[in-house]
Amino acid sequence: DTGVSQDPRHKITKRGQNVTFRCDPISEHNRLYWYRQTLGQGPEFLTYFQNEAQLEKSRLLSDRFSAERPKGSFSTLEIQRTEQGDSAMYLCASSLKTTGGTEAFFGQGTRLTVV
Amino acid sequence: KQEVTQIPAALSVPEGENLVLNCSFTDSAIYNLQWFRQDPGKGLTSLLLIQSSQREQTSGRLNASLDKSSGRSTLYIAASQPGDSATYLCAVSPNSYSGAGSYQLTFGKGTKLSVIP
Repeated sequence: DTGVSQDPRHKITKRGQNVTFRCDPISEHNRLYWYRQTLGQGPEFLTYFQNEAQLEKSRLLSDRFSAERPKGSFSTLEIQRTEQGDSAMYLCASSLKTTGGTEAFFGQGTRLTVV
Repeated sequence: KQEVTQIPAALSVPEGENLVLNCSFTDSAIYNLQWFRQDPGKGLTSLLLIQSSQREQTSGRLNASLDKSSGRSTLYIAASQPGDSATYLCAVSPNSYSGAGSYQLTFGKGTKLSVIP
């Protein structure tokens, strides 16, 4: 499978626990994004990497959230001290920087439920 | 701040009918516009990408148009099928010359389409 891969697909955690999600982008893509989507809403931008550099973070990304992309390959998104409001679908996307456009390809998402 | 609106929020049509989904955006300084499909509980599947300099793009039974100056895009689906039932999302990418970068997509809330057999 050459698409964007996310793991796990589903995660149920107790409030206050830490969780970590992984995203493997399409192999030649140098741009990677994280989005969050709640029920009935469109995805909201969280953060963006170009290669290993995190170039943009949304104000939605509180201090409890941290994302990394070591060596410019896969990325992880960690949420510390989870809250019920963190329950959402976390989507990863990747694209290739070109002059012709930046079509983004999304993974299947990680559904987080905080109980 | 860019805002994207999709109308209608939900649409139900009989199989075989042609239909149009609408997307509007408040800031016309966009780099491109992308239409996605999302099945329940799943990720997003890219359908069509329209560059800001283009007027339309076609893929199979899908045709997307873009009128950047008026801040509007439409997705036309011909001869709808039950398998087309899903939520359709449009998203715009800002123009890098505006300083906002061309990497952050702003999404609408989507149109939930049901095609009745």
